[in-house]
Amino acid sequence: AQKVTQAQTEISVVEKEDVTLDCVYETRDTTYYLFWYKQPPSGELVFLIRRNSFDEQNEISGRYSWNFQKSTSSFNFTITASQVVDSAVYFCALSEPRDSNYQLIWGAGTKLIIKP
Amino acid sequence: GAVVSQHPSWVICKSGTSVKIECRSLDFQATTMFWYRQFPKQSLMLMATSNEGSKATYEQGVEKDKFLINHASLTLSTLTVTSAHPEDSSFYICSARDRGAETQYFGPGTRLLVL
Repeated sequence: AQKVTQAQTEISVVEKEDVTLDCVYETRDTTYYLFWYKQPPSGELVFLIRRNSFDEQNEISGRYSWNFQKSTSSFNFTITASQVVDSAVYFCALSEPRDSNYQLIWGAGTKLIIKP
Repeated sequence: GAVVSQHPSWVICKSGTSVKIECRSLDFQATTMFWYRQFPKQSLMLMATSNEGSKATYEQGVEKDKFLINHASLTLSTLTVTSAHPEDSSFYICSARDRGAETQYFGPGTRLLVL
């Protein structure tokens, strides 16, 4: 069965610290997609990244980086030099092409608090 | 690109009234639209999936007659909460994806408060 686990319910760090948000997934398919979304206090979900299962290259976008490891079924998200504006709930999600609608299977979310 | 709008952002209504929420894709054709409900401090709960021109597919436990979904065009889907009651108070979010695309883009959400 498909499942996404974000074991960290809440993380609190001081500004400028690095922080890693964990995401572990389960799927029986060889082809799948993984996503990270950010939900700031306003509520709108902001798309951050999509990774397909055939691309294990890590990705860096500014202060954000993602580590995809199929061997451990993990897709972790790291923010370096965190800022107060990074405070939000971050969701990891999974979708599979065999579902033609690409429905998302969501993790529970990790609330990230960056203290000034 | 990939902008989704949602209107209204806030609605307060009396119990028994119906509320319509609109979701529009502004710069792409939304072959598929999704409606979610989110309770405080929880993840998103998928309510239904709709493809343009077809009836919506509702998730188990979601009342079709309570939450009417219409996806009449490639850029517009509506969710109508009929005869709303206080327990329907929630944050409703829509998302949309283009044909063949894997990514869902989300609207800003609608906060519904039923008194």
